[in-house]
Amino acid sequence: GQNIDQPTEMTATEGAIVQINCTYQTSGFNGLFWYQQHAGEAPTFLSYNVLDGLEEKGRFSSFLSRSKGYSYLLLKELQMKDSASYLCAVRDYTGNQFYFGTGTSLTVIP
Amino acid sequence: DADVTQTPRNRITKTGKRIMLECSQTKGHDRMYWYRQDPGLGLRLIYYSFDVKDINKGEISDGYSVSRQAQAKFSLSLESAIPNQTALYFCATSEDGNSPLHFGNGTRLTVT
Repeated sequence: GQNIDQPTEMTATEGAIVQINCTYQTSGFNGLFWYQQHAGEAPTFLSYNVLDGLEEKGRFSSFLSRSKGYSYLLLKELQMKDSASYLCAVRDYTGNQFYFGTGTSLTVIP
Repeated sequence: DADVTQTPRNRITKTGKRIMLECSQTKGHDRMYWYRQDPGLGLRLIYYSFDVKDINKGEISDGYSVSRQAQAKFSLSLESAIPNQTALYFCATSEDGNSPLHFGNGTRLTVT
């Protein structure tokens, strides 16, 4: 089976750094993805890890530890437009299906 | 123009009606997916297809059917809609098994 856990809500201050955690227990693993979703809109792809370590893309970074079943998304220099839900998704070992966590709703305050 | 287009954007229908949600893409991807999103439950896979002759059930396929009319078109049908099918529905594509999903803008379906 698949079990993917993320915090439901987080609040952070504009200009700060926030870390959103994701833990997973899956029957197979072939990559972990992070998506951003603004209210009422489509999820958009942010970052992808298949090997252990840190991937950096501008203000966004994502980390993976496969042995611990753990990932985090790090957002730096927070802006008001970063207020959104952040979805963690695991791709199964076949590469055919993605399993999503319930998402973390991030509110950025002035 | 959006690469993955869903129609309609919003739909209200009554219990027992048959409805179809449509998805078309200009990305040239072979893989297409239908997900539904419910508050507190996240995105769940309904069906997916890797080419015109390939249809696969996802986690929650009961009460739904799909048709892959062409590489670019993948439609989702509710044969007899029920209120607990009220949700936000997303179509998505991906290039291959190593690529991320690209989502359409969603269809908000309400069944009364």
